[in-house]
Amino acid sequence: DIQMTQSPSTLSASVGDRVTITCRASQSLSASLAWYQQKPGKAPKVLIYKTSTLQSGVPSRFSGSGSGTEFTLTISSLQPDDFATYFCQHYNNYSYTFGQGTNLDIK
Amino acid sequence: QVHLQESGPGLVRPSETLSLTCVVSGYSISSGYFWGWLRQPPGKGLEWLANIYHSGRTDYNSSLRSRVIISVNTSKNQVSLKLNSVTAADTAIYFCARAVPGSNLYYFDSWGQGTLVTVSS
Repeated sequence: DIQMTQSPSTLSASVGDRVTITCRASQSLSASLAWYQQKPGKAPKVLIYKTSTLQSGVPSRFSGSGSGTEFTLTISSLQPDDFATYFCQHYNNYSYTFGQGTNLDIK
Repeated sequence: QVHLQESGPGLVRPSETLSLTCVVSGYSISSGYFWGWLRQPPGKGLEWLANIYHSGRTDYNSSLRSRVIISVNTSKNQVSLKLNSVTAADTAIYFCARAVPGSNLYYFDSWGQGTLVTVSS
């Protein structure tokens, strides 16, 4: 099975900062990736799919890129609403795998 | 706007069977897409459990395949999950969600609010 490893596990940043979260796969991915944001007590919300396509309604400060074994989620200028936990997700062979999550908190 | 609502007992005894239902509104399951269950132990990450298509075609997480059954009732527009022989390790928030395709990728674009299930005697 393909393992997805996110880094960092925790990230402290300030409003206005540019932050990048990385998701590394244990082997090269033939398919793309999705990214989710989750706030405490809420269900995850998809931000990006197909590695870099923004879900409808998601602010343009979010962007995704990558290929092979390394994928990134970037927030260009952190807003107060962005402090949350972020997960990457891969799909392969009728199975779904999530990264362990990155907790983005206020510095 | 699709809406998903999970329901089920909040407490299940060890070794018993956990049964959950997800009622879908705003979209007919018979129209397509996959419908799935995921879970999240408190303070931990997400784990996909199973998906089902309206035709009845199913996919399961290989690590749980022997204990999980997912089913669909298109007349009631609902999806159900049964997880047998539960232990404390099955304590989690259980989510139902819709999986949609996007270029070699299926991802979950709509989620229920989740329901906490605790396994304890």
